[in-house]
Amino acid sequence: AQSVTQPDIHITVSEGASLELRCNYSYGATPYLFWYVQSPGQGLQLLLKYFSGDTLVQGIKGFEAEFKRSQSSFNLRKPSVHWSDAAEYFCAVVAPHLTGGGNKLTFGTGTQLKVEL
Amino acid sequence: DSGVTQTPKHLITATGQRVTLRCSPRSGDLSVYWYQQSLDQGLQFLIQYYNGEERAKGNILERFSAQQFPDLHSELNLSSLELGDSALYFCASSGHNEQFFGPGTRLTVL
Repeated sequence: AQSVTQPDIHITVSEGASLELRCNYSYGATPYLFWYVQSPGQGLQLLLKYFSGDTLVQGIKGFEAEFKRSQSSFNLRKPSVHWSDAAEYFCAVVAPHLTGGGNKLTFGTGTQLKVEL
Repeated sequence: DSGVTQTPKHLITATGQRVTLRCSPRSGDLSVYWYQQSLDQGLQFLIQYYNGEERAKGNILERFSAQQFPDLHSELNLSSLELGDSALYFCASSGHNEQFFGPGTRLTVL
């Protein structure tokens, strides 16, 4: 079965600093890859997605992510963090070729981002 | 606003009771997914419906059931509630490969 690892439970960065959140997946083929953000008391908002093609994908709010097949990674980056980016970030995968799996999302455990002013 | 609506926003009930959570997908989306978010289990897939038919099942307890109606809205029924069922329950809908999430229903079992 597919799995997702987000090794950093908490990350603190200063406003204006760059950010990289790590995500590694385990799956026999290339899955569909997603990053979602959850603000306190809110639902999950899709930041960006990767299905195929260009391995560097751009998302909303100035975020980007790079798919690296050799490392089974899909790390999220932002060049300059804003205080409003403080939230929890989830990496997720869909295994598109899994029989009986539908298109369910398998989530990582999340990374809580704190932004220091 | 994702276009996915969920009601109620909050639900407080007692152990042993039964509740129904409702979800209306985005206009045109045929798939509805239910997820549970809890502190100890994280975000877990429960069940997926596609155009009224069950498509995939995750770690959904036997005490839980769901259905999708002809108008494509879905309901998640939770019965014989236990303290450990307290969680945030999300519904998501999709037309293709992206899932859009509703605001969730926070269930508290006392």
